[in-house]
Amino acid sequence: EIVLTQSPGTLSLSPGERATLSCRASQSVSSSYLAWYQQKPGQAPRLLIYGASSRATGIPDRFSGSGSGTDFTLTISRLEPEDFAVYYCQQYGSSSKTFGPGTKVDIK
Amino acid sequence: EVQLVESGGGLVQPGRSLRLSCAASGFTFDDYAMHWVRQAPGKGLEWVSGISWNSGSIGYADSVKGRFTISRDNAKNSLYLQMNSLRAEDTALYYCAKDTDIAVAGIMRHWGQGTLVTVSS
Repeated sequence: EIVLTQSPGTLSLSPGERATLSCRASQSVSSSYLAWYQQKPGQAPRLLIYGASSRATGIPDRFSGSGSGTDFTLTISRLEPEDFAVYYCQQYGSSSKTFGPGTKVDIK
Repeated sequence: EVQLVESGGGLVQPGRSLRLSCAASGFTFDDYAMHWVRQAPGKGLEWVSGISWNSGSIGYADSVKGRFTISRDNAKNSLYLQMNSLRAEDTALYYCAKDTDIAVAGIMRHWGQGTLVTVSS
């Protein structure tokens, strides 16, 4: 099973700042089959990025994904008030689709 | 509009069984794989199981293998999760999620609001 580690656990930033979230896999994620989800309190997760760098339908272009192999990054170029949430990475390159533990982005 | 509505959750004693359902609408159900994902209170997401459009490909997390069974009825636009030998650690909000593909690709584009399962004596 591929284990995903996310860092930092919590990121405290102000609106307008840039957020950089990291996701590291215990082994190479085949074909960059890596997705990112956003979850707000009391809500279901929302797909942001798939294939490591492709934005899902309706996702603003301030969200971008990059990386390959074992190291992946989600970048939010300028934080909007609605972006403060928990972000999960997920790999789907193996038969067991594992999630990372999440990074909480909160208001500084 | 895609809608996924889970049901069947509740309070159950350890060792007992429960069957979750997910009613799908707003899309052609048998064109997509489906998944169950759970979230323990205050914790992160855990993929539980996935099933391809025709039930020909099925996968489970190690934590539920041998105890849970995923199934679907394309005629009824419904997804199911039969949960046997329940344990306290199965307590979670269970989400139904729609894949982006006919096979079990694993990209979860649409999610329901979840049904809560509590395993306790």
